[in-house]
Amino acid sequence: EVHLVESGGGLVQPGGSLRVSCAASGFTFTTYSMHWVRQAPGKGLEWISYISGESTTIYYADSVKGRFTISRDNAKNSVYLQMSSLRAEDTAVYYCAKDRGGTGYYFDYWGQGTLLTVSS
Amino acid sequence: QSALTQSASVSGSPGQSITISCTGTSSDVGGYNYVSWYQQHPGKAPKLIIYDVNNRPSGVSNRFSGSKSANTASLTISGLQAEDEADYYCSSYKRTNILAVFGGGTKLTVL
Repeated sequence: EVHLVESGGGLVQPGGSLRVSCAASGFTFTTYSMHWVRQAPGKGLEWISYISGESTTIYYADSVKGRFTISRDNAKNSVYLQMSSLRAEDTAVYYCAKDRGGTGYYFDYWGQGTLLTVSS
Repeated sequence: QSALTQSASVSGSPGQSITISCTGTSSDVGGYNYVSWYQQHPGKAPKLIIYDVNNRPSGVSNRFSGSKSANTASLTISGLQAEDEADYYCSSYKRTNILAVFGGGTKLTVL
């Protein structure tokens, strides 16, 4: 059974940094690309980053480009999101999601999310 | 402001059918058959229920179906059940480095 568990969220001051992690199990991790998707409180979903199985292809949404860095450690079946220069508008639940594979980009399994609050 | 436009809410009675629409542009919904739908219950993570416009992942009820015409995608839920009450989000591929854009979500209430 596929299982994704995020961790590392918390309260951070504006301008600060934080790394959130996602531990994956139940599938051959290196075979699948991974995404981070966030959801501000009471708001909709926003895709923010993608990393391919061997980390050769990485994409970011314009809203986080230059401030966030996605990475993965296939030996640890984990994907990470390093966030810096944080702003109030980055406050959200951060979900890691497994890419379904094949054509298109679809999120077929999601973690439970980890909450980041950016506030002074 | 979400990239794709969805109505804020829809309602229906048990057993009825409802349709949720999702309007984009020729650069996303209209340009690719890479439309998906996600169901999200309160406090839970989203769940993929439709991909490639009209395909259901294994385990998703056949009461859920998708379609697309020009720049508008639609999700139809037939035989409404109480457990269908949730938020529904559409998504589409847009281009390299904008892998997914979402609608603002539609809250389904089962009366």
